[in-house]
Amino acid sequence: DLQMTQSPSSVSASVGDRITISCRARQGIGTWLAWYQQKPGQAPKLLIYAASTLHSGVPSRFSGSGSGTDFTLTISSLQPEDSATYYCQQANSLPTFGPGTKVEVK
Amino acid sequence: QVQLQESGPGLVKPSQTLSLTCSVSGASINSGNYYWGWIRQPAGKGLEWIGRIYTSGSTNYNPSLESRVTMSLDTSKNHFSLELTSVTAADTAVYFCARVNSPRDFGDYSIPDWGQGTLVTVSS
Repeated sequence: DLQMTQSPSSVSASVGDRITISCRARQGIGTWLAWYQQKPGQAPKLLIYAASTLHSGVPSRFSGSGSGTDFTLTISSLQPEDSATYYCQQANSLPTFGPGTKVEVK
Repeated sequence: QVQLQESGPGLVKPSQTLSLTCSVSGASINSGNYYWGWIRQPAGKGLEWIGRIYTSGSTNYNPSLESRVTMSLDTSKNHFSLELTSVTAADTAVYFCARVNSPRDFGDYSIPDWGQGTLVTVSS
């Protein structure tokens, strides 16, 4: 299967900070990439699909970019409710998820 | 607004078959715009895609589970199901059912709608 890696594995930042999470595919996947947010005890929520398209209802402080093997999720102004684990997913025929990045808001 | 709800036994004995059903409301599983899928998450760990099924009945499964997985649709009840045979403790996880985007309409197989998840424990 197509492994995905994410960095960093965790990040701690303050309210209002800009943070970026990286996701890398072992081989090119075009723009078949999605990002999810998951809070403890909850199902994941889709944030971004097709690498850069914001899912309906998701705040505009979230954005995605990249294509091929390297992708980025950016939170432009971190809010307290953004504390969560973030997963990338290569969303092609046989999907796989990255290991996750835990975001703590100080 | 679509809602998905998993149901099934919370405890399964080793070597037996795990069976779960996902009831869908607010949308028809006959819709050609979406697939229907299953994902699982062991406690404290990441997400693992199990597979998906289309309205036609065609399926795609995770190669690591393919020999043990069967998914099916029941359009009369608007639900879909998962069977995982020969379970072991490694299959203990929260199982999520989900509605999956069709790349024809959305550009990829991302997952916009999830059930709340159901914990299945494999233990004797």
